[in-house]
Amino acid sequence: AQTVTQSQPEMSVQEAETVTLSCTYDTSESDYYLFWYKQPPSRQMILVIRQEAYKQQNATENRFSVNFQKAAKSFSLKISDSQLGDAAMYFCAYRSASGATNKLIFGTGTLLAVQP
Amino acid sequence: DGGITQSPKYLFRKEGQNVTLSCEQNLNHDAMYWYRQDPGQGLRLIYYSQIVNDFQKGDIAEGYSVSREKKESFPLTVTSAQKNPTAFYLCASTLGGAGKAKNIQYFGAGTRLSVL
Repeated sequence: AQTVTQSQPEMSVQEAETVTLSCTYDTSESDYYLFWYKQPPSRQMILVIRQEAYKQQNATENRFSVNFQKAAKSFSLKISDSQLGDAAMYFCAYRSASGATNKLIFGTGTLLAVQP
Repeated sequence: DGGITQSPKYLFRKEGQNVTLSCEQNLNHDAMYWYRQDPGQGLRLIYYSQIVNDFQKGDIAEGYSVSREKKESFPLTVTSAQKNPTAFYLCASTLGGAGKAKNIQYFGAGTRLSVL
């Protein structure tokens, strides 16, 4: 069974600085998708970025980028020029590309605080 | 506006009572999901449905039931058999076609269930 591990329960960053959130996963599959979701205090889950495992190029979305290391099964999220609105719980998630469903497997989350 | 609507936002359950959480989507998505979120445990899948009149158990289905009579609706019933129902419940949906990269899961705003 696949598992997702986020080893940093809480992180803090100064406004305008850069922070990296860690995520590792375990799978025997070769084709899959990885996601970072953001959950602000409103509790609404928002997709931040996704990575397809067959793509070597790291995904980027404006100030958000990932460092995808397939061999190491690592998928970290880098937030550049941090803003107060980035404060939220961040979840890493895995989805098989070959399964019969679009089921997501989530990590336990990292709570990010942004200091003004 | 297209989206996923969960109601009510807050719900209270008495001992021995069944309660139903509503989830409606107007995204024309085929698949729908229910997740439970507890502090420090991320999101865990309760039930999912890929097509009308069909649904499957997720990882923690005991004490819950669902129905999928309409494409846009996927209500979750928390039965009296669920001894620890206090949690945040999230509904999600995807376009369908398991394994496709475009099938991002979109989430509702959630329902907070508490026991009186």
